[in-house]
Amino acid sequence: SQQGEEDPQALSIQEGENATMNCSYKTSINNLQWYRQNSGRGLVHLILIRSNEREKHSGRLRVTLDTSKKSSSLLITASRAADTASYFCATDGGTGGFKTIFGAGTRLFVKA
Amino acid sequence: EPEVTQTPSHQVTQMGQEVILRCVPISNHLYFYWYRQILGQKVEFLVSFYNNEISEKSEIFDDQFSVERPDGSNFTLKIRSTKLEDSAMYFCASSIGQGVEQFFGPGTRLTVL
Repeated sequence: SQQGEEDPQALSIQEGENATMNCSYKTSINNLQWYRQNSGRGLVHLILIRSNEREKHSGRLRVTLDTSKKSSSLLITASRAADTASYFCATDGGTGGFKTIFGAGTRLFVKA
Repeated sequence: EPEVTQTPSHQVTQMGQEVILRCVPISNHLYFYWYRQILGQKVEFLVSFYNNEISEKSEIFDDQFSVERPDGSNFTLKIRSTKLEDSAMYFCASSIGQGVEQFFGPGTRLTVL
């Protein structure tokens, strides 16, 4: 499989529920980022977590990183219909930022 | 709030033609990137650019592709002889430093007929 694989590929939840998306990667990294993309539009940066960090919060977002398992998770709490989008993890593949490798993404659908 | 802009929003071209996609990164950013996303697929890294030279490029970025920063504000991606499989959304991004948040433009949809 490719660097930065997310699961599930698609997730459908009710408004107010929490959404958890996972990402696995293969090479060593300096940092891992999560991005959001609304249908057919540009990517919006959500959060960056460095390899020496284990958890990071930003508003309703919580990201964890386990470098021993080469995995990360993104938790969105109290989801809203406006959270409906695709979510991608991206790593630097150990290049320190010159190359960003995106996963296939998780499509989140939040039902109102 | 400063943002990355891209022109055109949609470009239609004939196979074999040259296209130039244009981007204006955020003014104080020093690192510039191009990515592409084929419909329904993941975002793929093409190239990064810093200090007027390519820092890193992917296997996709072959001799048909080139990038340039012709002046202090624009950053361009040229595809010399387009192929059908070049049809995709092309995103430009910029960042103030290395290994930090990248700001993405809205993309240019390239359709090769």
